[in-house]
Amino acid sequence: EAQVTQNPRYLITVTGKKLTVTCSQNMNHEYMSWYRQDPGLGLRQIYYSMNVEVTDKGDVPEGYKVSRKEKRNFPLILESPSPNQTSLYFCASSPQARVYGYTFGSGTRLTVV
Amino acid sequence: DQQVKQNSPSLSVQEGRISILNCDYTNSMFDYFLWYKKYPAEGPTFLISISSIKDKNEDGRFTVFLNKSAKHLSLHIVPSQPGDSAVYFCAATDSSYKLIFGSGTRLLVRP
Repeated sequence: EAQVTQNPRYLITVTGKKLTVTCSQNMNHEYMSWYRQDPGLGLRQIYYSMNVEVTDKGDVPEGYKVSRKEKRNFPLILESPSPNQTSLYFCASSPQARVYGYTFGSGTRLTVV
Repeated sequence: DQQVKQNSPSLSVQEGRISILNCDYTNSMFDYFLWYKKYPAEGPTFLISISSIKDKNEDGRFTVFLNKSAKHLSLHIVPSQPGDSAVYFCAATDSSYKLIFGSGTRLLVRP
């Protein structure tokens, strides 16, 4: 089944403790992206990648890191999480984001206390 | 400043009637527009897109209209069904390939 898989689905952590949210897609898509969803703000793009080793900042990149060492994987790293990073996170992939849109994962609900 | 705006947080329509969801944008460099549907506890799913060189695109019960001069697009769902109840996001992109989303409109289709 074609899908975007992100783990974990739920995570509660403490301020300052480094964490990684994994994302993997099995569709051989070039484009991958991370979004966060917050009430009243919709989905905001954190980082995106157009191919292996090519990444760029979205609208809210502060406090996040990404890497794209392989085509299928695009992990999101929070080096020192803070409570304002409590959010619902989505990973997405696309063969060509402009025309075909993104296929989204099921989301990771992160709480930073 | 939000570049893509959905000013109606919610919409309620009767089953079988038309649902019209609206979206406004401010960036004239946007040249592709997309609509997504999102159910609770799931990721958004792509519905339909439209290029800025068109003013209408249809896919079954879903039609998107684009008015470039007004920087406005709308999604029409005809006829509306209870299974269409979800949050709908519009999104826009330019040549940078960044995809900018609106804040969403919650649609309720009443049986």
